[in-house]
Amino acid sequence: AQSVTQLGSHVSVSEGALVLLRCNYSSSVPPYLFWYVQYPNQGLQLLLKYTTGATLVKGINGFEAEFKKSETSFHLTKPSAHMSDAAEYFCAVSEIGGNEKLTFGTGTRLTIIP
Amino acid sequence: SQTIHQWPATLVQPVGSPLSLECTVEGTSNPNLYWYRQAAGRGLQLLFYSVGIGQISSEVPQNLSASRPQDRQFILSSKKLLLSDSGFYLCAWSPTDRGLRETQYFGPGTRLLVL
Repeated sequence: AQSVTQLGSHVSVSEGALVLLRCNYSSSVPPYLFWYVQYPNQGLQLLLKYTTGATLVKGINGFEAEFKKSETSFHLTKPSAHMSDAAEYFCAVSEIGGNEKLTFGTGTRLTIIP
Repeated sequence: SQTIHQWPATLVQPVGSPLSLECTVEGTSNPNLYWYRQAAGRGLQLLFYSVGIGQISSEVPQNLSASRPQDRQFILSSKKLLLSDSGFYLCAWSPTDRGLRETQYFGPGTRLLVL
């Protein structure tokens, strides 16, 4: 069985500061890993994903994440926060060769302080 | 390009009334389709998924049901709504091509309030 833990249900950073959203996963087989963003009253938008290959993955809006197998982590970062980054962020995992079902974390709400 | 539609966007229904939420996908064939519910302060809970017409798998026992009458249409239904059915319902699709099917793409959602 697979699971996802997002540390910190709420994170606040100042505009221009580093954004770091934490995600740890548990999977019995090599995982596919995803970050989605959700703006208020909207659906989820794919930010980035890791399947195979390079462990540092770049996504939209200046975000990137690094797959660290030894730490079972897939933390999301952005060097400089912008007001428009305020949203809820979800980490998700599915299993390579599995049934393509995603398991989501409970989400992290990011607030940007002007 | 592919697009996914959901309607209605918002719905207020009394307890005990029926429910029908619709999801359609354009620009792809034979997608995998998913229904999720997002309750306030919680993550996403997978309710149903479908790999083809008439093929529905239920993840959570409840008073909801799903149907897939056409290749790109997915319907979420209930005969009698409960207060606990309130939430934000999201439909998603994924390709079935090898190497692409792991990624799900989400619709805009339907906010349901049961009173």
